[in-house]
Amino acid sequence: GEEVAQTPKHLVRGEGQKAKLYCAPIKGHSYVFWYQQVLKNEFKFLISFQNENVFDETGMPKERFSAKCLPNSPCSLEIQATKLEDSAVYFCASSQSRSGNGNGYTFGSGTRLTVV
Amino acid sequence: QQPVQSPQAVILREGEDAVINCSSSKALYSVHWYRQKHGEAPVFLMILLKGGEQKGHEKISASFNEKKQQSSLYLTASQLSYSGTYFCGTLSGNTPLVFGKGTRLSVIA
Repeated sequence: GEEVAQTPKHLVRGEGQKAKLYCAPIKGHSYVFWYQQVLKNEFKFLISFQNENVFDETGMPKERFSAKCLPNSPCSLEIQATKLEDSAVYFCASSQSRSGNGNGYTFGSGTRLTVV
Repeated sequence: QQPVQSPQAVILREGEDAVINCSSSKALYSVHWYRQKHGEAPVFLMILLKGGEQKGHEKISASFNEKKQQSSLYLTASQLSYSGTYFCGTLSGNTPLVFGKGTRLSVIA
């Protein structure tokens, strides 16, 4: 399809619980990016994939966050043992290239994670 | 390193013009511009590649000064639909796309 599909739209978890977010990129886009947007609107890069391979994971808090992009499955972002500070909107974006030349990055509508 | 956007916020009346600036301390490969409306996903507006080009999209255009590592987004004859938060994103070397803190634009009738 021509849109990046993210599910669920909203997710509420108690502190310490696991959260799993999904992203189906646009068909034909080789790159997937995950960003965290906190209340002040700032975007924090988490991780990117080139097909099913991790391309850049410099933004991932590795002790609790993990992500995968497997063939023929939506990409996923998983947070083990959520903390209050993980509350944010998580955006997935896809692109034909890392640089986004031409059409930029296409963002999904996001998953709002609330940790209580 | 995060690019710096200015101004942080601007209020316009319909028909007025605005300029949003984005600057970086790093040598840039490209600059992206996105608009995000409240509660929605960022939407891609345009990309500027190094070379000092200028691009246009209806009444929204942008320039990229490679020597100064600065980009500016120009909104002319603003419409109510232009309201939202504008983000620049910068790419340099092998770093991921890094976004500025955004400029909130409000267009009023």
